[in-house]
Amino acid sequence: NAGVTQTPKFRVLKTGQSMTLLCAQDMNHEYMYWYRQDPGMGLRLIHYSVGEGTTAKGEVPDGYNVSRLKKQNFLLGLESAAPSQTSVYFCASSIPGGVGTEAFFGQGTRLTVV
Amino acid sequence: AQSVTQLDSHVSVSEGTPVLLRCNYSSSYSPSLFWYVQHPNKGLQLLLKYTSAATLVKGINGFEAEFKKSETSFHLTKPSAHMSDAAEYFCVVSPFSGGYNKLIFGAGTRLAVHP
Repeated sequence: NAGVTQTPKFRVLKTGQSMTLLCAQDMNHEYMYWYRQDPGMGLRLIHYSVGEGTTAKGEVPDGYNVSRLKKQNFLLGLESAAPSQTSVYFCASSIPGGVGTEAFFGQGTRLTVV
Repeated sequence: AQSVTQLDSHVSVSEGTPVLLRCNYSSSYSPSLFWYVQHPNKGLQLLLKYTSAATLVKGINGFEAEFKKSETSFHLTKPSAHMSDAAEYFCVVSPFSGGYNKLIFGAGTRLAVHP
């Protein structure tokens, strides 16, 4: 069972470069999320999607774009990378549900912008 | 506004001694609460969750947490630490959001276990 898979696992970018992070889930989950993790700040929500073709902004969306063309995939794009985007990025997915629904996380992508 | 405060950024214990990781929450409604664990270079794994059933919740690997509404706390405990428990632990509150499964993370507590 693969669960939630993120590619790549590591990446170094130069300031101004662009890249796309791919998240794939094989659990047929409707909801998908992108978080960033910074030291001492826990995880913060960047964007999320409640279904194929829909996306919405989370807590820290600036500098990022997302797309959900297929139910199983959720892409996170950085159009012009900045050093402030150095972070560990986590993708997650869940079934639709109310309070208490568990989210399943990928193993993370460590991104460094120099 | 909903928030989560993990009272210790680092906790260090000896193997075989009890573990206590403290978490306080703030929520306008009766929330659901989670503890997730993150081992080095790994993703997050659910340890346990509270969803308004029993206030004492048992999770994996011998961990448990008690929901105390009067104290707005959800502390994580384990009677006897094992070396493999060394990791970062996140307390998470899930308030009613109306649109998606909103999760609010605490800053994390790094647990070190010494021989």
